[in-house]
Amino acid sequence: GQQLNQSPQSMFIQEGEDVSMNCTSSSIFNTWLWYKQEPGEGPVLLIALYKAGELTSNGRLTAQFGITRKDSFLNISASIPSDVGIYFCAGQLGQLMKTSYDKVIFGPGTSLSVIP
Amino acid sequence: DTAVSQTPKYLVTQMGNDKSIKCEQNLGHDTMYWYKQDSKKFLKIMFSYNNKELIINETVPNRFSPKSPDKAHLNLHINSLELGDSAVYFCASSQDLWGGDEQFFGPGTRLTVL
Repeated sequence: GQQLNQSPQSMFIQEGEDVSMNCTSSSIFNTWLWYKQEPGEGPVLLIALYKAGELTSNGRLTAQFGITRKDSFLNISASIPSDVGIYFCAGQLGQLMKTSYDKVIFGPGTSLSVIP
Repeated sequence: DTAVSQTPKYLVTQMGNDKSIKCEQNLGHDTMYWYKQDSKKFLKIMFSYNNKELIINETVPNRFSPKSPDKAHLNLHINSLELGDSAVYFCASSQDLWGGDEQFFGPGTRLTVL
């Protein structure tokens, strides 16, 4: 079945540093999603991408939908302690094909720790 | 005012018991989901319901039985609990089934089977 890989698996950075993480797939997706999960909470959507090549920002977060439709990147600028959490990418085929449902596939996550 | 709520937050039980987890969403969404998150934080979909109809059943043992009495509720009943069922279970909802709709997750239920 479809699987997503995320790298790095975990990161320890100093407050103020920029962060980059990526997500790759062996098959294409038409929608890429980035979620953040804080300890003891459920995942929360950060950014949704719907078009190959699309670059979208949400505050200090920027995500890109890869041209091949098999990857996506998330960057966080000037990290702060509250950025701590697990960042999940997720892919879905369904955007262009509303005749059938395709489930959202989650990557294994990148764990981010920010040292003040 | 919680969008997606789950009860209980923590559930500790003995092997072989039967337990239920309840989920409610007040967002007016058509679709609800159950996910299992294992100790390595891997999130895997178990079930999806759309307007009370089962849409996705991801090769989950039939000891797990979801029930959707109405669009706003999706409960999960687990029979004959096993050690491997220990995990965090998340309920989620989205406006509908189609691509890219944001899924809103509940706070999770941490199930520990002893």
